[in-house]
Amino acid sequence: AQSVTQLDSQVPVFEEAPVELRCNYSSSVSVYLFWYVQYPNQGLQLLLKYLSGSTLVKGINGFEAEFNKSQTSFHLRKPSVHISDTAEYFCAVAYSGAGSYQLTFGKGTKLSVIP
Amino acid sequence: DAGVIQSPRHEVTEMGQEVTLRCKPISGHNSLFWYRQTMMRGLELLIYFNNNVPIDDSGMPEDRFSAKMPNASFSTLKIQPSEPRDSAVYFCASSPLNEQFFGPGTRLTVL
Repeated sequence: AQSVTQLDSQVPVFEEAPVELRCNYSSSVSVYLFWYVQYPNQGLQLLLKYLSGSTLVKGINGFEAEFNKSQTSFHLRKPSVHISDTAEYFCAVAYSGAGSYQLTFGKGTKLSVIP
Repeated sequence: DAGVIQSPRHEVTEMGQEVTLRCKPISGHNSLFWYRQTMMRGLELLIYFNNNVPIDDSGMPEDRFSAKMPNASFSTLKIQPSEPRDSAVYFCASSPLNEQFFGPGTRLTVL
């Protein structure tokens, strides 16, 4: 069975500071990994995804994540955050179902950017 | 493309009433997912369809919940009768393969 752990439920950070949101997963098979962002009162939007190939994945809004198979991690990073990055971030692992892929989500990390 | 469309965006109803949530997936996507999001439980998968066929409904809380997908462009999630504990944001997502595209959600409040 797949599971996703986001170790930090809330992360406050000052504007223009770097940030890392942590994600660990467990899976017995090859995985696809995703980070989604949810702004207040909106649905989830894909930030980036790892399917195969390079372990460093770049996404929208200056975010990137690194897939580390040995540590079963997929941490999200941004070198300099902006006020507009305040949102909730969800890590997810996909596994193959019947004809499609299901996602298992972490509990989410609320990023608060302080002016 | 307009993305995944959900209606209504907000629904307030009284306990015992029937509630129907609607979803129009992105054209060409062959999978559709219904999720529920609450503060306590986070994001939960309720049911998903592939090519209009329900594949896994193990996440549906109880018999009061039912979902249908009569064609590739429309799905409904029905709660009958509704209870206060059903209050949540319900999301629909569609997928062409491994990436899911989410709708804006329906915020349901059952009084």
